[in-house]
Amino acid sequence: DQQVKQNSPSLSVQEGRISILNCDYTNSMFDYFLWYKKYPAEGPTFLISISSIKDKNEDGRFTVFLNKSAKHLSLHIVPSQPGDSAVYFCAARVRTGNTPLVFGKGTRLSVIA
Amino acid sequence: EAGVTQFPSHSVIEKGQTVTLRCDPISGHDNLYWYRRVMGKEIKFLLHFVKESKQDESGMPNNRFLAERTGGTYSTLKVQPAELEDSGVYFCASSQGGSTQPQHFGDGTRLSIL
Repeated sequence: DQQVKQNSPSLSVQEGRISILNCDYTNSMFDYFLWYKKYPAEGPTFLISISSIKDKNEDGRFTVFLNKSAKHLSLHIVPSQPGDSAVYFCAARVRTGNTPLVFGKGTRLSVIA
Repeated sequence: EAGVTQFPSHSVIEKGQTVTLRCDPISGHDNLYWYRRVMGKEIKFLLHFVKESKQDESGMPNNRFLAERTGGTYSTLKVQPAELEDSGVYFCASSQGGSTQPQHFGDGTRLSIL
């Protein structure tokens, strides 16, 4: 039973436009959410996170939105650049006890020049 | 600051053989995690060390897998004997203490069992 779901395996966006990656979760105990970016043959790289006490966190071109009632979060990248092409993983955890991350299956983003 | 390093980057062995993967976390990181990604699926948790102690090993698939972190520095993950379904990419991650510290990942070891 997947607790973190990324229902879009892939997404194509034109350079300069907005990329929106979505993630849903089922475990209401999750209170900390992260996005990781992964290039081929490399490990996931931490991108941005959000705590459940917030509904938005922004870092440069990247913004994460959290809707707790819907158990949904999204990552917005604007403007999208060709270097953003990668697989993006949504992850969640329960903060207490440094619990492990629970990952979604990832969404492959292709930014077309 | 050096990142999380893993060795080897790729290992190809035959079913029934033994393989040992190594992870060197970021210096000063007490938390060390092992994850595995089987082809095309999600990254799944295997176990968590805090310093040299196993905090959570609920994700270990079976007793063919043995993880150690002697001295609370680097960690090894041994698979003995390896089976076909053990193939995948094994990632190690480390983090500082604190519930909102992100985990930093190594580039993984791609394990192929023939």
